[in-house]
Amino acid sequence: IQLTQSPSFLSASVGDRVTITCRASEDINSYSAWYQQKPGKAPKLLIYTASALQTGVPSRFSGGGYGTEFTLTISSLQPEDSATYYCQQLNSYPRTFGQGTKVEIK
Amino acid sequence: QVQLQESGPGLVKPSQTLSLTCSVSGGSINSFYWTWIRQSPGKGLEWLGLVHYSGTTEYNPSLASRLTISVDTSKNQFSLKLRSVTAADTAVYFCARQPLSYLDSEGFTVRYGMDVWGQGTTVTVSS
Repeated sequence: IQLTQSPSFLSASVGDRVTITCRASEDINSYSAWYQQKPGKAPKLLIYTASALQTGVPSRFSGGGYGTEFTLTISSLQPEDSATYYCQQLNSYPRTFGQGTKVEIK
Repeated sequence: QVQLQESGPGLVKPSQTLSLTCSVSGGSINSFYWTWIRQSPGKGLEWLGLVHYSGTTEYNPSLASRLTISVDTSKNQFSLKLRSVTAADTAVYFCARQPLSYLDSEGFTVRYGMDVWGQGTTVTVSS
């Protein structure tokens, strides 16, 4: 299953609402996850099963979608949200990732 | 809290076998899936495979002919062996934990992502 994220790069201001889209090449039900990765660090799980917020993740992060289209939304962008974000499908093996979306703070 | 730590050689010669171990501390290796992921320089994430604590495995088909992932519950660790490496296998290798799926109160299967990660270890393939 191939995952395509859009955009690949986005630049936004603190306080902006930001949405990243992940499209799957086939139906993956609700089985998607989202990760945040900062330079030189391991990825951090934000969302699983499309919309479940991982424990400890700020509530400004939310996920949605079903089937082949999924979204990660940051309701009010903060300086510490500067990172690369990856989606992953959890529906079948191999558990593929999207190519990533780099989020920059203006 | 649970911590994962990758260990192994940072330099491997072409055609040799890359061997890494992930040690689990602060919790049991039982009742989870344990995964390996890698990230080539400047690139995205590649899922390599996983092992269930019972020993059952799933592999990325692109690497399955060269890859073995195993678990040692007595040592609370799991391992990766990648044979016949080339420069294309140069990457940061991460180990990670994935909780098992469960049925929620509405009968829906909840599947987790990888919730605990090691810091990653850089492996360079070069003569």
